[in-house]
Amino acid sequence: AQSVTQLDSQVPVFEEAPVELRCNYSSSVSVYLFWYVQYPNQGLQLLLKYLSGSTLVKGINGFEAEFNKSQTSFHLRKPSVHISDTAEYFCAVSNTGGFKTIFGAGTRLFVKA
Amino acid sequence: DTAVSQTPKYLVTQMGNDKSIKCEQNLGHDTMYWYKQDSKKFLKIMFSYNNKELIINETVPNRFSPKSPDKAHLNLHINSLELGDSAVYFCASSQETSGGAGTQYFGPGTRLLVL
Repeated sequence: AQSVTQLDSQVPVFEEAPVELRCNYSSSVSVYLFWYVQYPNQGLQLLLKYLSGSTLVKGINGFEAEFNKSQTSFHLRKPSVHISDTAEYFCAVSNTGGFKTIFGAGTRLFVKA
Repeated sequence: DTAVSQTPKYLVTQMGNDKSIKCEQNLGHDTMYWYKQDSKKFLKIMFSYNNKELIINETVPNRFSPKSPDKAHLNLHINSLELGDSAVYFCASSQETSGGAGTQYFGPGTRLLVL
């Protein structure tokens, strides 16, 4: 069985500062990894995903994430955040060949002016 | 053109009632899902359908019954509503050519409040 742990429930940060949202997973089989963002009163939308190949994945809105197999991590980073990045961020994992995605508990990113 | 739409957006009802939520996707995807998001934003999968076949049925009370009349629609019927059913319910869809790799597209959510 897979599981996902998002290590921070809330991350406050000042505008234009860098940010890292941490995600660790556990699985006994190969996985695909995802980061989704949820803006207030909306559904989730994909930021980026790792399927295979290069461990550094670039996504929308200047976000990137690095897959680290030895540390079973998939941390999300952005070098300079904007007020508009304030949202809930979800890390997710699915097993290859499966149809079930497990979501982490979410990290609320709060960008302050 | 909304990719994944849900109706209604808000649902306020009394305990014991029966209600339905409808979902439609116009992306041509082969897989659809229902998720429940609680007040702490925790998102949990309830059901997954691939080509109209139920493939994931999590430990959900049998008061919840999904129905997929065709690949573009996945409805959720809830019998005998309870206070604990209050949550936001999201429908999503994806194309699972390689199982598990597809991007999920989420609807706007249905906010259910049981009084």
